[in-house]
Amino acid sequence: SQQGEEDPQALSIQEGENATMNCSYKTSINNLQWYRQNSGRGLVHLILIRSNEREKHSGRLRVTLDTSKKSSSLLITASRAADTASYFCATMDTGRRALTFGSGTRLQVQP
Amino acid sequence: NAGVTQTPKFRVLKTGQSMTLLCAQDMNHEYMYWYRQDPGMGLRLIHYSVGEGTTAKGEVPDGYNVSRLKKQNFLLGLESAAPSQTSVYFCASSPPGLAASYEQYFGPGTRLTVT
Repeated sequence: SQQGEEDPQALSIQEGENATMNCSYKTSINNLQWYRQNSGRGLVHLILIRSNEREKHSGRLRVTLDTSKKSSSLLITASRAADTASYFCATMDTGRRALTFGSGTRLQVQP
Repeated sequence: NAGVTQTPKFRVLKTGQSMTLLCAQDMNHEYMYWYRQDPGMGLRLIHYSVGEGTTAKGEVPDGYNVSRLKKQNFLLGLESAAPSQTSVYFCASSPPGLAASYEQYFGPGTRLTVT
């Protein structure tokens, strides 16, 4: 079963706009991670937020985590055509070092 | 460093045939993982390994076996392929230790079709 469910499933925006993707999960976690997957390629790690953190920034990325609501959001500011990809959240349970992935959000940034 | 590599990149099997997918990493990582990704879905964990000589079941282990005889290699075997195993298979690795990052490094994937 998928731990994380992402919303929306697909998002189309214009270059320069911000993109927000949401992720919900079901169990207690050690950390939550976001990955990007370009078409036909492997996943690339973007950012990790630990369960005791509420917000984290990395370049144009901003991630929030609300453990009481079991949800996270990824904000990409000033999007570029090169940001076009699928984005996945993944949770790591407190008991083991394996990730459980959500179903992903397909982001299309129009130039 | 080559990172995580997977062999082969593509394969077509007939139902009932067997094959082994090879994953290799040159980052001295302790943890290695095999996932499958079906169209429009996220990755699902098949098996993983926390160190040389150890393996554990993931979310969808049925029909697959794994071995980790060397630290740098993690093999995924299909003994009798079924059409339901048509998928893209990804290998990943991650470094050890609580102080280290928990991020995983992914290979480029193997696209397997079972007819």
